[in-house]
Amino acid sequence: TQLLEQSPQFLSIQEGENLTVYCNSSSVFSSLQWYRQEPGEGPVLLVTVVTGGEVKKLKRLTFQFGDARKDSSLHITAAQPGDTGLYLCAVITGSYQLTFGKGTKLSVIP
Amino acid sequence: DSGVTQTPKHLITATGQRVTLRCSPRSGDLSVYWYQQSLDQGLQFLIQYYNGEERAKGNILERFSAQQFPDLHSELNLSSLELGDSALYFCASSVVPSNYGYTFGSGTRLTVV
Repeated sequence: TQLLEQSPQFLSIQEGENLTVYCNSSSVFSSLQWYRQEPGEGPVLLVTVVTGGEVKKLKRLTFQFGDARKDSSLHITAAQPGDTGLYLCAVITGSYQLTFGKGTKLSVIP
Repeated sequence: DSGVTQTPKHLITATGQRVTLRCSPRSGDLSVYWYQQSLDQGLQFLIQYYNGEERAKGNILERFSAQQFPDLHSELNLSSLELGDSALYFCASSVVPSNYGYTFGSGTRLTVV
């Protein structure tokens, strides 16, 4: 059983559209991280959310941590081709290891 | 450039062989983590070191081993390679183990033929 379930698995949209991707779990977490991974590169940290209900914005990206700290969402406004990539959510488990979801692969078509 | 350096970038080798992947953490980071990324399993934690000592093991096969040296660089050794070991191997580092983000290298793509 996957600790973090991400949906959708794949998403292909036109430039300028809005989208939301989700990261869900039945477990409660003290914090949750979002990463973006481009082909041939390692994941890059976008944000860490810590407080239930917290909303963080990074330019056109809005991250929300669920009130119960079991889930999170990432909303992108007016998507650009540069947003293309694999979006991964992750939580710290055990002795400070990151456990990742399988990711949402986003393609933004010009 | 994330500051985490992994070499080589690509590696092609035959089944049964042994390879060594190298990671230099970001300057000042004492913790190193190794991850394997495959299409079906996603990113899986393998092993963690802190200041030269092993701190935690994840889904690491017995054929795989790692170490962190006094200069803090780390090596991941993969032996008796099988076709299923073909994957991307990433190293990440952090100052100390914490609840905050880690910095990843750009990975080594291993192809076993």
